[in-house]
Amino acid sequence: EAQVTQNPRYLITVTGKKLTVTCSQNMNHEYMSWYRQDPGLGLRQIYYSMNVEVTDKGDVPEGYKVSRKEKRNFPLILESPSPNQTSLYFCASRDPRDSASYNEQFFGPGTRLTVL
Amino acid sequence: AQSVTQLDSHVSVSEGTPVLLRCNYSSSYSPSLFWYVQHPNKGLQLLLKYTSAATLVKGINGFEAEFKKSETSFHLTKPSAHMSDAAEYFCVVSVLGTYKYIFGTGTRLKVLA
Repeated sequence: EAQVTQNPRYLITVTGKKLTVTCSQNMNHEYMSWYRQDPGLGLRQIYYSMNVEVTDKGDVPEGYKVSRKEKRNFPLILESPSPNQTSLYFCASRDPRDSASYNEQFFGPGTRLTVL
Repeated sequence: AQSVTQLDSHVSVSEGTPVLLRCNYSSSYSPSLFWYVQHPNKGLQLLLKYTSAATLVKGINGFEAEFKKSETSFHLTKPSAHMSDAAEYFCVVSVLGTYKYIFGTGTRLKVLA
């Protein structure tokens, strides 16, 4: 089944404790992206990656890092989490070359992060 | 700069009555526009998309949207609401040739029995 998976789905942590949220897709998509969702703000793009070893900042990159060493994986790293990073995080992927699903993103199930 | 505005944060309709969720966009170039739905505690599912073909776009579950360039709008409609339509809906704009997506702030649809 074609899908985007995220782990963990739920995470409670404390300020300053480094964490990684993994994202993996099995559709051979080149493009992957991370979003955070906050009430009343919709989804805001954190980082995106056009291909392996190519990443760029979205609208809210502060406090986050990403890496893209393989096409299928795009982990989100919080080196020193703070309470204002408490949010619902979504990973997404798309294949820009696929005209049948032109520009369509496929989303993972989400990771709910709480930073105390 | 691109932006998208969802004009209503909450919409309530009775079951069996029409649904209208409003979205206005701003884009310097030809946009791709999408509507996504998020049911409670679920991920996002694509309802429909506009990519410069037909201006009236039909999606899943009886939803459709009309792209109106003169009004810079992409409103989502459904003739008859069902209880299962209760969810949050997001209008999204993506500019051709870029890798950035701009989400609206969402409209929460409530369907009354």
